[in-house]
Amino acid sequence: DAKTTQPPSMDCAEGRAANLPCNHSTISGNEYVYWYRQIHSQGPQYIIHGLKNNETNEMASLIITEDRKSSTLILPHATLRDTAVYYCIVRVNMNYGGSQGNLIFGKGTKLSVKP
Amino acid sequence: DAGVIQSPRHEVTEMGQEVTLRCKPISGHNSLFWYRQTMMRGLELLIYFNNNVPIDDSGMPEDRFSAKMPNASFSTLKIQPSEPRDSAVYFCASSLNREGQPQHFGDGTRLSIL
Repeated sequence: DAKTTQPPSMDCAEGRAANLPCNHSTISGNEYVYWYRQIHSQGPQYIIHGLKNNETNEMASLIITEDRKSSTLILPHATLRDTAVYYCIVRVNMNYGGSQGNLIFGKGTKLSVKP
Repeated sequence: DAGVIQSPRHEVTEMGQEVTLRCKPISGHNSLFWYRQTMMRGLELLIYFNNNVPIDDSGMPEDRFSAKMPNASFSTLKIQPSEPRDSAVYFCASSLNREGQPQHFGDGTRLSIL
């Protein structure tokens, strides 16, 4: 799996867009980019994923650069409930077994949304 | 839509006792994962099922740990006998086994072994 690099922490004002970057310069052509977040004492929450094209759902948007070496997760209107640790994961397929079934979350980015 | 459901949410028991954690995956999902999360080791995959069959249990720490999936809608993780070092948050996740499909996690069971 490609290694990812994320800033350890970020602040965002409530109501503003939160833009969380992720570098994955060694990504392979068949690897997907997944974003999860974990709020204290809860399970990791799936947010969005993509392969090449930008993606949008009800939670967020994912912008992947043309060379696929980096991506940005965008929370368009951050709320206090979006305060969490955000993880960027690059995988070929989440459902392979063995070591490939293991999700390596890394340290992620701690996003603090402030009033 | 109901997500992955785990029970109990919290368990406190004395060492040596048997502990059984339960998981109901999302309906229609055919892959199920058990993870353990601690501050020291982060999130670790314990075992992975596909179509109710265990595919890889190399993450199961010892013979004291066992997992079953008797049908597509239920799985258990059992620890017998339990030890204080087993204290952790245990997560169950499920997914549809197709390329690109994400895993969806339950809220976990916080286990404390005294």
